[in-house]
Amino acid sequence: DAGVIQSPRHEVTEMGQEVTLRCKPISGHNSLFWYRQTMMRGLELLIYFNNNVPIDDSGMPEDRFSAKMPNASFSTLKIQPSEPRDSAVYFCASSLNGISYEQYFGPGTRLTVT
Amino acid sequence: AQKVTQAQTEISVVEKEDVTLDCVYETRDTTYYLFWYKQPPSGELVFLIRRNSFDEQNEISGRYSWNFQKSTSSFNFTITASQVVDSAVYFCALSALLPNDYKLSFGAGTTVTVRA
Repeated sequence: DAGVIQSPRHEVTEMGQEVTLRCKPISGHNSLFWYRQTMMRGLELLIYFNNNVPIDDSGMPEDRFSAKMPNASFSTLKIQPSEPRDSAVYFCASSLNGISYEQYFGPGTRLTVT
Repeated sequence: AQKVTQAQTEISVVEKEDVTLDCVYETRDTTYYLFWYKQPPSGELVFLIRRNSFDEQNEISGRYSWNFQKSTSSFNFTITASQVVDSAVYFCALSALLPNDYKLSFGAGTTVTVRA
C-alpha cells in the first residue's frame, strides 16, 4: 500500500513568491496533519483536519499560511508571500481517525526561501 | 497543561550497548495515548509504538522495549544491543481527548548516535 505522498520533495523559491505544498494521505485515513520542522523550533503541528474539516489551526504561524482539504485524498498547504524564515521541512501525516491513533508521515518537503 | 519532556538531548553509545530514552509527560486527562516515533537520517518519521493510558503492560518488540509507569508519568524506551542503524532522533508524543478539546504534544526529541 502507498504511504503518505508529498510533493514536491524539494522547493527553492524567492522571497515573496507563493508556495504550494501537496499531500495525499493514506487511503481510508480520516485525519490529516501538517507539521513544520526546524532546528530552532523542532517539530510543530500547524493544522489538523478530521474528515476534511479543519479541527485546529492554532499552530499556523500567521495569515500568510493557509491549508485546505477539498476531499479525503488531497490537501494543500500554501504560503503567500513566502519569507526566508519559512525555510523548513514540512511534513504531512495521516491517521486512521484523529489524534488517538498513530500517524504515518510522508517524506517531507524541504522548502528553502531565499 | 499538557507537556512532554525528553530531557536527554543527545545520547552517544558504542554498538552493542543498551540505551534508554526517557519520556516524562504531563496531562490532566485520565484517558490519553502515548507514542514513540523514530526519525532516521533520511528524515521521514516512523511510528514505533502506541500505548493507551489504561494499558500499563510493558512491551517488547525485538531489540526495542517500552516501560510505561503511570505512577511516575513516564514512558521510557530502551534499545538493547544497539546497532548503527538505530542512529536517529526519537520523539515521544502524547495525545489526550479533553471534553470539547484535544491536545497533541511532541517532545523535543533525543538524538541517538550509535558508533561502530
